Amino acid sequence: GAVVSQHPSRVICKSGTSVKIECRSLDFQATTMFWYRQFPKQSLMLMATSNEGSKATYEQGVEKDKFLINHASLTLSTLTVTSAHPEDSSFYICSAREVLDYGYTFGSGTRLTVV
Amino acid sequence: AQSVTQLDSQVPVFEEAPVELRCNYSSSVSVYLFWYVQYPNQGLQLLLKYLSGSTLVESINGFEAEFNKSQTSFHLRKPSVHISDTAEYFCAVSVGGGADGLTFGKGTHLIIQP
Repeated sequence: GAVVSQHPSRVICKSGTSVKIECRSLDFQATTMFWYRQFPKQSLMLMATSNEGSKATYEQGVEKDKFLINHASLTLSTLTVTSAHPEDSSFYICSAREVLDYGYTFGSGTRLTVV
Repeated sequence: AQSVTQLDSQVPVFEEAPVELRCNYSSSVSVYLFWYVQYPNQGLQLLLKYLSGSTLVESINGFEAEFNKSQTSFHLRKPSVHISDTAEYFCAVSVGGGADGLTFGKGTHLIIQP
């Protein structure tokens, strides 16, 4: 089946620094990828939709200058948390939709801790 | 806009007993419905999905869900649970033919008691 690889699985960074999270579709092409954020013991909230070769579409309330998304190829999307602060600490999960199949495959998530 | 309601935040069940996790949705257009399972500190794994056709969908590990349009529900059931089924279960809905991301319910923590 479709596999999405997300890296890193865990990252600890200092306040004020930037962190990049990668999301790769390993065995299929994904024209659309999605980024979610999950707070402890809560549901997933869609942050943005990433389309290959074009600008990402951000959900209301998500700062696009803080959460930079790049979808440079059909198999890779990146999320960069810029000038991270402790309130950005969360679990970030990416998802990719395969072109030929109506399915959303999720990465294993990235636990970001800002200290 | 669409929304998903999972009324039960936590469901304790004895091992080998049946279980039903409830999911209701709200949408003004046709939807696609999904159930995902999440184990601690992991991503989501698809359990099953309803796109069209038969309203009863099954997964390979014994779960099933039935789409009920009149009641706008997509409840998840399993006739006999195992300890390994302990996890967080999320119901989700998608509209827009796949161009949109998923809208998730708040999740139900299934706790299997021996």
